[in-house]
Amino acid sequence: AGVTQSPTHLIKTRGQQVTLSCSPISGHRSVSWYQQTPGQGLQFLFEYFSETQRNKGNFPGRFSGRQFSNSRSEMNVSTLELGDSALYLCASSLEGGSSYEQYFGPGTRLTVT
Amino acid sequence: AQSVTQLGSHVSVSEGALVLLRCNYSSSVPPYLFWYVQYPNQGLQLLLKYTTGATLVKGINGFEAEFKKSETSFHLTKPSAHMSDAAEYFCAAPFSGGYNKLIFGAGTRLAVHP
Repeated sequence: AGVTQSPTHLIKTRGQQVTLSCSPISGHRSVSWYQQTPGQGLQFLFEYFSETQRNKGNFPGRFSGRQFSNSRSEMNVSTLELGDSALYLCASSLEGGSSYEQYFGPGTRLTVT
Repeated sequence: AQSVTQLGSHVSVSEGALVLLRCNYSSSVPPYLFWYVQYPNQGLQLLLKYTTGATLVKGINGFEAEFKKSETSFHLTKPSAHMSDAAEYFCAAPFSGGYNKLIFGAGTRLAVHP
């Protein structure tokens, strides 16, 4: 099975918070999150490996995440803004090196109204 | 600064024609490069990757790419386009020292017409 994400679609109101979930490919220990918007393209949010955040992109503190012992990951966005509307993609990788390809899930489309 | 640049946000070809999607990277990125494809309303699918060794890399669906260090390029090609190739294509490279942190190009939307 590939990377799975839930939910598929989500509609929230400004000021609310949201939690997105990602289950990596079995055996993969690294999970990365990306935001995709028409204006900014694909931007790296953060990466977790063995429950530790190793990298963080240039996003405000409203964006946070965590990884569980089974490698599943969640990301949370608090105090939603209209600009947070995007496709959020999760990717998993076997190990933590730059040469390891990442496998992406189908994404969660978040709409903030 | 590290960067990945895709020349041409839109490319249109006839079915059966050569597909050429251009990607250039800054010399400061590690020598690992990837091409991903995204079909409408889907996530990204890995087409091919370059790590070390042979500079001509073959991927899925008949695509291939050649790593040219002297030109800092990693262009994607396919000899004969098929209607099913219509999608958006992204070139990507890792941040140096950034583990699984990818920099993506802006993407090239490929249209294939009969």
